[in-house]
Amino acid sequence: DAGVTQSPTHLIKTRGQHVTLRCSPISGHKSVSWYQQVLGQGPQFIFQYYEKEERGRGNFPDRFSARQFPNYSSELNVNALLLGDSALYLCASSSAGSSYNEQFFGPGTRLTVL
Amino acid sequence: ILNVEQSPQSLHVQEGDSTNFTCSFPSSNFYALHWYRWETAKSPEALFVMTLNGDEKKKGRISATLNTKEGYSYLYIKGSQPEDSATYLCAPPFGNEKLTFGTGTRLTIIP
Repeated sequence: DAGVTQSPTHLIKTRGQHVTLRCSPISGHKSVSWYQQVLGQGPQFIFQYYEKEERGRGNFPDRFSARQFPNYSSELNVNALLLGDSALYLCASSSAGSSYNEQFFGPGTRLTVL
Repeated sequence: ILNVEQSPQSLHVQEGDSTNFTCSFPSSNFYALHWYRWETAKSPEALFVMTLNGDEKKKGRISATLNTKEGYSYLYIKGSQPEDSATYLCAPPFGNEKLTFGTGTRLTIIP
């Protein structure tokens, strides 16, 4: 079985542009979460979606948005990119939207904003 | 937002030695504690999900304990091997699945 997949692997954008990152969860998993990891820090929670509904949002500006599709894949969108958005964006999936469920992480998308 | 602290920040251990490190978190409104191992250029890998005070879990040479009353968890590695070199992250959720990660302990095993 394939694990969590993310695309693209790497991305370079300039300030002010828009970016869309994609995530496919493990087959059968209905919950997808997004995290941002900047160098020297642990991953920071951005969004969680379960059964296509937003279950939670971290402390990120409205420039960040996400959605989950009927097949449970997900997109993270970031508008008006800033230099500070340069980071590794991780997607994680789990079978159910609970604190007790193990989350499985993808390899991440490395975003560089110039 | 939870304040999660991990110590030490980095650690160098001789191959064959045992080691341990700490995760501290607020003890109120505890749900669970997740431990992850993150090797360079790979995805974070779940090690344990711990839920009960006094929990002790083991996976091969790695084990973890949990004290929810005082808000800490220890991760132990017995007989360190080079493949144990990684960053170890702990994460208590502050709601359903909203993991709050510490900054991690970067472990380097010296052959």
